[in-house]
Amino acid sequence: DAKTTQPPSMDCAEGRAANLPCNHSTISGNEYVYWYRQIHSQGPQYIIHGLKNNETNEMASLIITEDRKSSTLILPHATLRDTAVYYCIVRVGGGSQGNLIFGKGTKLSVKP
Amino acid sequence: NAGVTQTPKFQVLKTGQSMTLQCAQDMNHNSMYWYRQDPGMGLRLIYYSASEGTTDKGEVPNGYNVSRLNKREFSLRLESAAPSQTSVYFCASTDYNEQFFGPGTRLTVL
Repeated sequence: DAKTTQPPSMDCAEGRAANLPCNHSTISGNEYVYWYRQIHSQGPQYIIHGLKNNETNEMASLIITEDRKSSTLILPHATLRDTAVYYCIVRVGGGSQGNLIFGKGTKLSVKP
Repeated sequence: NAGVTQTPKFQVLKTGQSMTLQCAQDMNHNSMYWYRQDPGMGLRLIYYSASEGTTDKGEVPNGYNVSRLNKREFSLRLESAAPSQTSVYFCASTDYNEQFFGPGTRLTVL
């Protein structure tokens, strides 16, 4: 079973920030938080990952709470093309250690 | 650089038929994976290969076999297809942290 809990769906207005929450209360000390998204029926796409520090890249920001029991993915200026299912996954980092276990994710709908 | 490629894109089989799904990556990755995705669900791991010459079972391996032909190619075989294997199949490879996914094969078993 997935080790994360996410809301099944969220809406966001185009141009606004989308904040997607994830609970992972049983995360272990050596497990990273990963985010992927799946647009329509395409293969999932990596977004970002982190261990305990906040992370930012060209796609998004990842905020991890100090106790590491929850995190938030932030898309700073959502566009219609960001409409997708977003998966929050915890796993041991690196290679084949700890394969990705996908839950049902959050379906984000960005509306004009 | 094509990334991860999969063939075929679509396939319809009759119950009991066999087929092989092909996957190749050109990123020189050691690890490769096969997942299936049923409607409205997340992906589930079928088999993975940590390196050339090794394969291991994932969450749902029954009814499937795999071959890591070389570093580039990882194939998935259905020996006797069943309607329960109707799904979308994704292949992936990893560069240590990020998994790169192929476009998927949509398989229907009648």
